[in-house]
Amino acid sequence: DQQVKQNSPSLSVQEGRISILNCDYTNSMFDYFLWYKKYPAEGPTFLISISSIKDKNEDGRFTVFLNKSAKHLSLHIVPSQPGDSAVYFCAASDNNNDMRFGAGTRLTVKP
Amino acid sequence: KAGVTQTPRYLIKTRGQQVTLSCSPISGHRSVSWYQQTPGQGLQFLFEYFSETQRNKGNFPGRFSGRQFSNSRSEMNVSTLELGDSALYLCASSLVGQGASRETQYFGPGTRLLVL
Repeated sequence: DQQVKQNSPSLSVQEGRISILNCDYTNSMFDYFLWYKKYPAEGPTFLISISSIKDKNEDGRFTVFLNKSAKHLSLHIVPSQPGDSAVYFCAASDNNNDMRFGAGTRLTVKP
Repeated sequence: KAGVTQTPRYLIKTRGQQVTLSCSPISGHRSVSWYQQTPGQGLQFLFEYFSETQRNKGNFPGRFSGRQFSNSRSEMNVSTLELGDSALYLCASSLVGQGASRETQYFGPGTRLLVL
C-alpha cells in the first residue's frame, strides 16, 4: 500500500525558475514529513523536514509547505540550479518513526 | 565521523541463491533500517533494528531477514532469490530511531543486487 505518493515521476525546469515537487499521503497518523535528495550511485541525503504543527518550513532556497487537511505537501526550490538535478523522495513518519517513502520525482534543471 | 557504509556495493546472483548484505552505521547510532529501492516503487521499508532487536517490519516475505550485532552493525539476508529481488538495497542509521526526537536517518550508498 502506497501511503506516500509522488505522482510526478519527473519534472524539468529552467535554471533560475521555481521547482515545485508534490507529495500526497493517506495515513492521518503521519505527523512528521521529510524530503530527501538522491544523486546517482549515492544514498539519499536529508534535505528538509516539517512537523505537522507547522505549515511551512524554509531553509535557504528550499521551502516545504504542508496542507494537513488535504494531506499534501510540496517542496519549492527557488531559484533552481543545475546542481539541484536529482531524484527527490518525500517521506512521512508517525510517532513510532515508522517511515514511508514516495516513489521519487526526478528533477532536471536545465542551464 | 565516517558515514554509513555498505558492502558489497554491487552483487550478481542467480535465482535460488541466497545473499547477505552488510551495513555499518555511523558511530554511536543504534538504529539501523533497511530499504529496497526499485524503479517506480520508491523506497520500500524492510525492517528496523535497535539494540540487536527487530523493532519494525515492512510487508516483505519471510525470505527477507536481518540481524543486528552488539556493535550496531547490521546484516540483511535474502534467501531463495527471485528475479524481482533485483534492486538497490539501502541501509540507514540514526541515533535512537523512535520517539519524539524524530531524528534524521543517514543513508549509506546502497548495495545494487542483480538477480539473473
